[in-house]
Amino acid sequence: EVQLVESGGGLVQPGGSLRLSCAASGFTFSSYVMTWVRQAPGKGLEWVANIKQEGSEKFYVDSVKGRFTISRDNAKDSLYLQMNSLRPEDTAVYYCARGATMFDPWGQGTLVTVSS
Amino acid sequence: DIVMTQTPLSLSVTPGQPASISCKSSQSLLHSDGKTYVYWYLQKPGQSPQLLIYEVSSRFSGVPDRFSGSGSGTDFTLKISRVEAEDVGVYYCMQGINLPRTFGQGTKVEVK
Repeated sequence: EVQLVESGGGLVQPGGSLRLSCAASGFTFSSYVMTWVRQAPGKGLEWVANIKQEGSEKFYVDSVKGRFTISRDNAKDSLYLQMNSLRPEDTAVYYCARGATMFDPWGQGTLVTVSS
Repeated sequence: DIVMTQTPLSLSVTPGQPASISCKSSQSLLHSDGKTYVYWYLQKPGQSPQLLIYEVSSRFSGVPDRFSGSGSGTDFTLKISRVEAEDVGVYYCMQGINLPRTFGQGTKVEVK
């Protein structure tokens, strides 16, 4: 079964850091672009970042550039999102998804809450 | 960034009746390769989003044929021919021609 499982969310103070992980199984992870999408409470979907198969090319939405870093470990079938200098507006459920545009599957999401 | 605008933002439909959602992009989604990069996702209550339609009108694996997509350039439509109770949720269009990818605001579909 093709599956993505996120972890690492939690409560963090403004200015703090958090590292999200996404464990992939059931497919050849190294063959796919991987993406992070977030959803603030009660709001719509926002694309955050993606990373190409080899990890050499990474793209970010402007609001997280310089603060978030996407990475992957193909040997461990894992995707990561290092989030620094967190702001209250980063509060959201963070989903990892397989693909560059055709996102399938999505993980179940992990909640990040930035609050003092 | 490309702005995706959906209408309506909410829809209440009687089971068995059709439903239609419009999505307009701020610039053409037609790529030089001839493909048009618009996608439709459904987020059912309490669930992660799921892919319904890709490249305007291609149904993703397992998607019922009551769902159809159409359009070109900057104007796109998702149609449900006969709404069923399981179709409730929020529908999002998304453009895949440029980075960052951008989604519409979402259309909440309720079944009466």
